[in-house]
Formats: sequence, structure tokens, C-alpha cells
Amino acid sequence: GAVVSQHPSRVICKSGTSVKIECRSLDFQATTMFWYRQFPKQSLMLMATSNEGSKATYEQGVEKDKFLINHASLTLSTLTVTSAHPEDSSFYICSAFPSGGTSYTDTQYFGPGTRLTVL
Amino acid sequence: AQSVAQPEDQVNVAEGNPLTVKCTYSVSGNPYLFWYVQYPNRGLQFLLKYITGDNLVKGSYGFEAEFNKSQTSFHLKKPSALVSDSALYFCAVGLSGNTGKLIFGQGTTLQVKP
Repeated sequence: GAVVSQHPSRVICKSGTSVKIECRSLDFQATTMFWYRQFPKQSLMLMATSNEGSKATYEQGVEKDKFLINHASLTLSTLTVTSAHPEDSSFYICSAFPSGGTSYTDTQYFGPGTRLTVL
Repeated sequence: AQSVAQPEDQVNVAEGNPLTVKCTYSVSGNPYLFWYVQYPNRGLQFLLKYITGDNLVKGSYGFEAEFNKSQTSFHLKKPSALVSDSALYFCAVGLSGNTGKLIFGQGTTLQVKP
């Protein structure tokens, strides 16, 4: 089946540092990936759409300069949390479409998530 | 605006009993509905989806969901619950416009007790 991986699974960093999270589609190509944020016992909040070869599109209220997204290949998208602060601590999850395109009838496959803790 | 509601924060059921996790939706146009399950500190796993056709959709791990247009519901069901089914369940609706974006409900914790 379609597998999406994330690295690292867990990261702890000091306030003010930057952290990069990788999202990879292991057995398929993905033109589009999505980044979500999830607070404890809460739903997923869509942060941005990552498009291969072009700029990411961010949801309203998400700071694009803080959450840098790069989708350099059809199997890799990265989310960099710049100058992280404790309020950025969260569970970050990515997803991707195995068909290589996007359709609201397609099934997204999700990565296992990355737990970010900013001290 | 499109939205999804899961009215129950938690559902408790005894092992072997049937379970239902409720979901209602509000969309303009045809609804495209999904159920995902999340185990602790893990990403989401796809269970099933409704796009068109038969109102009863069968999915992974013995789960099924019934699409009810008149009640705008898409409840998740399983005839006999297992302790291992205990997890967080999310209903989601696909946004129109071919963006691939999903709007998630707030999630329902299912607790299956032996």
C-alpha cells in the first residue's frame, strides 16, 4: 500500500532554533502533499499545501515565513519551523496523494507524524 | 461553508458489542466523506470513503459506514468491537474545487473495554 514516512519522529529543540521535518512518499510519487498541525486531543488543522516545483500555499492565519515549505522532488516535502518558540510545540503530520495529482475524491495517505517540543 | 461535526467526544463500548461513531456534515454540492483512525502518537490511517454509489461503504478492519443524505450523516459502524479498535476516529469531508483539501471533524475517542 501507499506509505508516507516522516523524519524525525520526535525532536526537542531550544527556543530560537530552526527545525526541519521531512515527509517522504516511499512507494509513489506525489505532486501534492499537505502539512497539518495537531494539538493534544484535538483535530488536525491544515497548515499548507505543498506543490512540487512551486511555492506552497498557506491557509489563512499560518505564517509562511515561520513555516517554510519546500517540495523539491516528487517524493519529498520539507517543513522548516524557523526560530521556533514553545508555542510551536505540536504534532506535525503530512499527507500525500499516490495518484500524483489531487482530487477531492482521492484518498490521502498520512505520515506517522513528528512530535516537536520547543524548550 | 463546509463542515464536519462529530457530536461525541468519547464512545465507550464493551468488547463484542456493536459500535457506532457519529458524523454529520454540511457541504455545498455532493459530499465526499472519509473516515480515518489515529492510534496514539501516530499518523492517520485510512478506513473508508464515500464518493458515490451504494450508501453502505465497507472499509478496513471490519468497519463500515452508512451515508444518509437526508440526515446528512456518515456514521461509522462495526458489528463487533475489539479492544484493539480503541483509538481516535476522525470523519472528514473533501472540499470541492479539486484542491484535495480535507476538513476534519473534532475526533471521537473510542474506548473498547474487555
